[in-house]
Amino acid sequence: EVQLVESGGGLVQPGGSLRLSCAASGFTFSNYDMHWVRQTTGKGLEWVSVIGTAGDTYYSGSVKGRFTISRENAKNSLYLQMNSLRAEDTAVYFCARDVGTVTNRFDPWGQGTLVTVSS
Amino acid sequence: DIQMTQSPSSLSASIGDRVTITCRASQSISTYLQWYQQKPGKAPKLLIYDASSLQSGVPSRFTGSGSGTDFTLTISSLQPEDFATYYCQQSYSTPELTFGGGTKVEIK
Repeated sequence: EVQLVESGGGLVQPGGSLRLSCAASGFTFSNYDMHWVRQTTGKGLEWVSVIGTAGDTYYSGSVKGRFTISRENAKNSLYLQMNSLRAEDTAVYFCARDVGTVTNRFDPWGQGTLVTVSS
Repeated sequence: DIQMTQSPSSLSASIGDRVTITCRASQSISTYLQWYQQKPGKAPKLLIYDASSLQSGVPSRFTGSGSGTDFTLTISSLQPEDFATYYCQQSYSTPELTFGGGTKVEIK
């Protein structure tokens, strides 16, 4: 069974840091681009970042320069290092596999991990 | 960024009803459009990709159509398990992918 399991969420103060992890199983992790997508009550679903099979990375404008996506294929793991956190980064963070051949589509998604940025 | 606008934001329907949800893009996105279903406390699930292709394992009562800027998701006969929130997502402006605001389908 293809499965993604996120961890690492929690409560952090503004300006703080947090590292999210996503453990993949049931497929050849190194063959897929992997994304982070977040969901807030107010703004809905927001794409955050992607890392390609070759390690190329892209970020949304709202997190560029503060977040770093990485992967460790030997451990079938995806990461999101989040620095300089702001209240508006409060969200449920999902990792998702990109199964698109020409364009991007997400399947499956993990169950999500909640990040709360508050003093 | 390409803005995706869904309508309605919520609807009430009965079991067996035909339900149609609309998604409009702020510019042409060809058929680079996906639909997802999300139930409370769960992750989104891919239903339709490339505007009209049914994801494996998804019931045939779900159909997608459209191209350019206007797209629809239709549920031909609403079932109890279909009560959820539905999101569209464009993949034309990769990697700056964007989602619609969601349509919540509730029981009438």
